[in-house]
Amino acid sequence: NAGVMQNPRHLVRRRGQEARLRCSPMKGHSHVYWYRQLPEEGLKFMVYLQKENIIDESGMPKERFSAEFPKEGPSILRIQQVVRGDSAAYFCASSPVARENEQFFGPGTRLTVL
Amino acid sequence: SQQGEEDPQALSIQEGENATMNCSYKTSINNLQWYRQNSGRGLVHLILIRSNEREKHSGRLRVTLDTSKKSSSLLITASRAADTASYFCATDKAAGNKLTFGGGTRVLVKP
Repeated sequence: NAGVMQNPRHLVRRRGQEARLRCSPMKGHSHVYWYRQLPEEGLKFMVYLQKENIIDESGMPKERFSAEFPKEGPSILRIQQVVRGDSAAYFCASSPVARENEQFFGPGTRLTVL
Repeated sequence: SQQGEEDPQALSIQEGENATMNCSYKTSINNLQWYRQNSGRGLVHLILIRSNEREKHSGRLRVTLDTSKKSSSLLITASRAADTASYFCATDKAAGNKLTFGGGTRVLVKP
């Protein structure tokens, strides 16, 4: 059973470009979470999704950031018009339905904005 | 300050010694989890302890939870150089809920 997969692992963008980060949850998992980690800090929750639904987006910046988890395919975290402050590691986690909240994390995407 | 704060922020020990780190939180929780993160890598789940549990073991790991003090501790016994990593506690308020992480304890185990 493959773990949570994220791609790309590293992404470099110039200011003003768009960044698309993809996450494929573990097989059988229908809950996806996105977290952001700044250097030397802990992870900060961004958004929680189930298939075709955003359950909790309380950690998402109000502008430029969006997330989706379509019926088919990976979850996408999209950052429009990136700024230097968006440089961080973005982690996706997944968990199965009807189970205590053990979340399995992917390797992360390290976004660098030049 | 945020839910889930680890103490100490950094810890340096010799191989074979025990490493103890603590986590405090502010609001009621459903579960508390500990994760390990090697430099530049993703998080590895270590152990989950429910709010109605007081102690849990997994290999060389021992986790305690004191809900009256809103604190947890992680003990790594007989540490190895490979245990060098950052350790994070994370809390959630309900199943299926977001995790709130602390700032982490950076552990260095010297051979």
